[in-house]
Amino acid sequence: DTGVSQDPRHKITKRGQNVTFRCDPISEHNRLYWYRQTLGQGPEFLTYFQNEAQLEKSRLLSDRFSAERPKGSFSTLEIQRTEQGDSAMYLCASSYGQSPNYGYTFGSGTRLTVV
Amino acid sequence: AQSVTQLGSHVSVSEGALVLLRCNYSSSVPPYLFWYVQYPNQGLQLLLKYTSAATLVKGINGFEAEFKKSETSFHLTKPSAHMSDAAEYFCAVIEGGNKLVFGAGTILRVKS
Repeated sequence: DTGVSQDPRHKITKRGQNVTFRCDPISEHNRLYWYRQTLGQGPEFLTYFQNEAQLEKSRLLSDRFSAERPKGSFSTLEIQRTEQGDSAMYLCASSYGQSPNYGYTFGSGTRLTVV
Repeated sequence: AQSVTQLGSHVSVSEGALVLLRCNYSSSVPPYLFWYVQYPNQGLQLLLKYTSAATLVKGINGFEAEFKKSETSFHLTKPSAHMSDAAEYFCAVIEGGNKLVFGAGTILRVKS
């Protein structure tokens, strides 16, 4: 069990550029979540997958955001035409099943800075 | 919708003193509640969770929390603070059986 891995750890991009983040969950976990955390706030839910199916998307996930989880393994989160307001920490988490008894394991996050 | 409120965005204690971080929840159904800790530029680490078993939940690093339905509270405590406890702490509740809803966080400062 190597935990949840996120890549890159840091990303600086110019406004208007596209960026893509990757998350590798714990291998036996079938659920994968994306959260966004801005300075001074708690993480906010963006979307989650069960296996390869994207089951829920937050209203925070505008049309510029897209997430995929091909083959139910790793996931990518893409932001198109980045804006300064997209600057945040993007956290990925995974879990096994629906029961909260299984818990959620978080990665170390990708910090995005849009300049 | 479920929500959590963390009272106090910053808490400062002396090393060796009691740590008390407050969390109140709003839920129309029996809640599942969590406390997470976040160190600078790190992800979230689970401290403990309440899943409708014992109301007093013990977690890692000497932390514990008590679920009080009558007060809709799930406060986090530690008898004796250590310098390494300095971090940001988040209370969270599960919504819709799927996703975590977090409070705004409490930054704990430990003075030597």
